[in-house]
Amino acid sequence: GAVVSQHPSWVICKSGTSVKIECRSLDFQATTMFWYRQFPKQSLMLMATSNEGSKATYEQGVEKDKFLINHASLTLSTLTVTSAHPEDSSFYICSARDGRHSYEQYFGPGTRLTVT
Amino acid sequence: AQRVTQPEKLLSVFKGAPVELKCNYSYSGSPELFWYVQYSRQRLQLLLRHISRESIKGFTADLNKGETSFHLKKPFAQEEDSAMYYCALGVQGAQKLVFGQGTRLTINP
Repeated sequence: GAVVSQHPSWVICKSGTSVKIECRSLDFQATTMFWYRQFPKQSLMLMATSNEGSKATYEQGVEKDKFLINHASLTLSTLTVTSAHPEDSSFYICSARDGRHSYEQYFGPGTRLTVT
Repeated sequence: AQRVTQPEKLLSVFKGAPVELKCNYSYSGSPELFWYVQYSRQRLQLLLRHISRESIKGFTADLNKGETSFHLKKPFAQEEDSAMYYCALGVQGAQKLVFGQGTRLTINP
């Protein structure tokens, strides 16, 4: 149980375009979802926390107008990278918490974004 | 500010030898500590958490508030333990995780 999926697993887009990444909890209801960014050989950096039906809480230094997060249901959150630039190229990982346990998060497999 | 430090980026030990992955944290509140593991080509998954005081796959970790540490230990390393290990701090209120830089553990045959 407690499976989180992400789609797509990798995506290539041109500079200036927008790309949407989906994160789904497959067998539980995720009260909270998290979006992380991971640079090569570096740790996960939390970008934002989203609770179903409310606005996401962004970490300091993360542009909320660039990284749009929508958590419309208890099983789906989306991250849209708007007007993408090459420096946005990274590995984006989502996780979900089912609310029954304090901090346990279940992670998705990640999405590799390459902006050309 | 909350911070998690894993001083070793790389750690290599021989099969059967003891292994210890170090983790230190900085947090003014009551900490909740976790170890996450990422095997090759797999997603990040929870290994253990300090509140459950359990042993998973032979690994244990004890929270030492005096030394602000949460080191991960295993008495006899196995080849399948080779992976990336992340120490994480649960922040109260915000209920989010702060990750350390990670330690890549390699078990040599």
